[in-house]
Amino acid sequence: ETGVTQSPTHLIKTRGQQVTLRCSSQSGHNTVSWYQQALGQGPQFIFQYYREEENGRGNFPPRFSGLQFPNYSSELNVNALELDDSALYLCASSLPTSGGPSTDTQYFGPGTRLTVL
Amino acid sequence: RKEVEQDPGPFNVPEGATVAFNCTYSNSASQSFFWYRQDCRKEPKLLMSVYSSGNEDGRFTAQLNRASQYISLLIRDSKLSDSATYLCVVNPGGKLIFGQGTELSVKP
Repeated sequence: ETGVTQSPTHLIKTRGQQVTLRCSSQSGHNTVSWYQQALGQGPQFIFQYYREEENGRGNFPPRFSGLQFPNYSSELNVNALELDDSALYLCASSLPTSGGPSTDTQYFGPGTRLTVL
Repeated sequence: RKEVEQDPGPFNVPEGATVAFNCTYSNSASQSFFWYRQDCRKEPKLLMSVYSSGNEDGRFTAQLNRASQYISLLIRDSKLSDSATYLCVVNPGGKLIFGQGTELSVKP
């Protein structure tokens, strides 16, 4: 196993609600990336956090937001849920490099499966 | 045009067959390349990195052609346990870009 954990494993919400997903990175990993994987598609990059700061964002609206804590764990928050937000949400942590965040070898958690009704 | 495109699947092959997956990417500035494997309803797991010189790991061989922006994965002597979705992944700097995946089903 990768040592990356996510909670909860499954979640059911209704349209308009808000959700918070959590991720604990592998020990010593200071970079956390979040991805959304819709059914039948590859994961899509949402954003990345490095040392508690957002360090890059994909093509997702502002209602997708995140946090990284001093222990490098992270949260993904989604407001005003829409049906299309139903997906597997994956977080991945990666090793630090001397020059900054590392994104090459990313270790994925098991994901949170979100269903929006 | 998608940033990373893969062969549409699924691929259904008998045990022992050789199977090849193809992938193209659009960002010529991409710096690193990978194949990930994803089992049904599980997280993606790194299968192998892909280097310009080509690299091999047991039954798996990966090739990269930067000029053509093309990546391939060859699986020899396929096993039942190779059944999964194979994701082509490109890092243009700062994030991983995934293809949509190609499903492989190996039958007895």
